[in-house]
Amino acid sequence: QKEVEQNSGPLSVPEGAIASLNCTYSDRVSQSFFWYRQYSGKSPELIMSIYSNGDKEDGRFTAQLNKASQYVSLLIRDSQPSDSATYLCAVNTGDMRFGAGTRLTVKP
Amino acid sequence: DTEVTQTPKHLVMGMTNKKSLKCEQHMGHRAMYWYKQKAKKPPELMFVYSYEKLSINESVPSRFSPECPNSSLLNLHLHALQPEDSALYLCASSQDRAGSNNEQFFGPGTRLTVL
Repeated sequence: QKEVEQNSGPLSVPEGAIASLNCTYSDRVSQSFFWYRQYSGKSPELIMSIYSNGDKEDGRFTAQLNKASQYVSLLIRDSQPSDSATYLCAVNTGDMRFGAGTRLTVKP
Repeated sequence: DTEVTQTPKHLVMGMTNKKSLKCEQHMGHRAMYWYKQKAKKPPELMFVYSYEKLSINESVPSRFSPECPNSSLLNLHLHALQPEDSALYLCASSQDRAGSNNEQFFGPGTRLTVL
């Protein structure tokens, strides 16, 4: 079982819709969870971090964490074409472990 | 300032060359990392420095040699690389390696091509 699993997609949503990205992890002692956005040819950019159960909102982004289910998600509201990128889920289990990434395309 | 800088942006080298990648941060972070990323794959951890000491080497071949001259600088020395080492090399830093201050910020990367 991979340490961090994501649906590789691609995920396609129309402009203005909500994009939902999901991630599961295997190490129950993980305490830190992150979402990175990576545009093609660029480096990962941190967009959200979450450490406790529940929701954390930042602008159009909401991260959700459920430690009992070992599940973390990212919602992007009012999706824009500029949100088209690969989204990497990362879990710090002592060191950062990345999921394979979900490619999101937002169609105008 | 959440900037991590890396030089060069692009590097082309032969298998007999010796070159170095450089990374710098001025955020006062005490942990710095080297990652390797191949196309359409997630970053893979290579090395971790915490308080200027190498704490993890993820079984990386000896043709890659890290160096941390001080808390702001990180180098990756390259020697006798193979074409399969061609990748995007990413540097990252975090305030600490563990705990609640472990958000990692990435530099722009060095695109390495080995001929």
